[in-house]
Amino acid sequence: DSGVTQTPKHLITATGQRVTLRCSPRSGDLSVYWYQQSLDQGLQFLIQYYNGEERAKGNILERFSAQQFPDLHSELNLSSLELGDSALYFCASSVGDGTSGRNSYNEQFFGPGTRLTVL
Amino acid sequence: GENVEQHPSTLSVQEGDSAVIKCTYSDSASNYFPWYKQELGKGPQLIIDIRSNVGEKKDQRIAVTLNKTAKHFSLHITETQPEDSAVYFCAASKRNNDMRFGAGTRLTVKP
Repeated sequence: DSGVTQTPKHLITATGQRVTLRCSPRSGDLSVYWYQQSLDQGLQFLIQYYNGEERAKGNILERFSAQQFPDLHSELNLSSLELGDSALYFCASSVGDGTSGRNSYNEQFFGPGTRLTVL
Repeated sequence: GENVEQHPSTLSVQEGDSAVIKCTYSDSASNYFPWYKQELGKGPQLIIDIRSNVGEKKDQRIAVTLNKTAKHFSLHITETQPEDSAVYFCAASKRNNDMRFGAGTRLTVKP
């Protein structure tokens, strides 16, 4: 158990809908990362938040957005869903922001994931 | 941007044998190289990592080597056990946190 929690475990919805995925980082971790894992694209970095602020952006679609709240949990919002958005969505956390000092290396710990199915 | 290639995509070994998985990266600025193990229905689990100022790191039956000049790094698992069966991912990142993953290697250890 990594200490990172994600809810829900499974989500089934229809095209055009909007969903929210939730992540709670390990105790003491300030960074949250979101990843998408699909069969044809592998693990893709979407976005990172550090202590409430967006820190890095990867291959995140404009239909997707995220935020990190004062209690450090994070939510990933997916809207206007398409069939191709069906995937596993993972959250990971790390102590620092990965850019400086002792936290310049990115030790990330992953949650169990949310499986999204768009019908 | 960074591109990480991982080989082989599948690997089958006999229990007790060694397994080696290799990755190459393209961005010479990458300085952190973790390896993750993913079991069915679970999230990736960090098993070992190496930083760019180190050439080799070992943790019990697992070792990772890094060749910065050639831009490749490898995972070595010795005395494999059936519970080592999983998908293994390599990754590379720079300080900007854009971690790029290899496509994964499905390791099967036959008892």
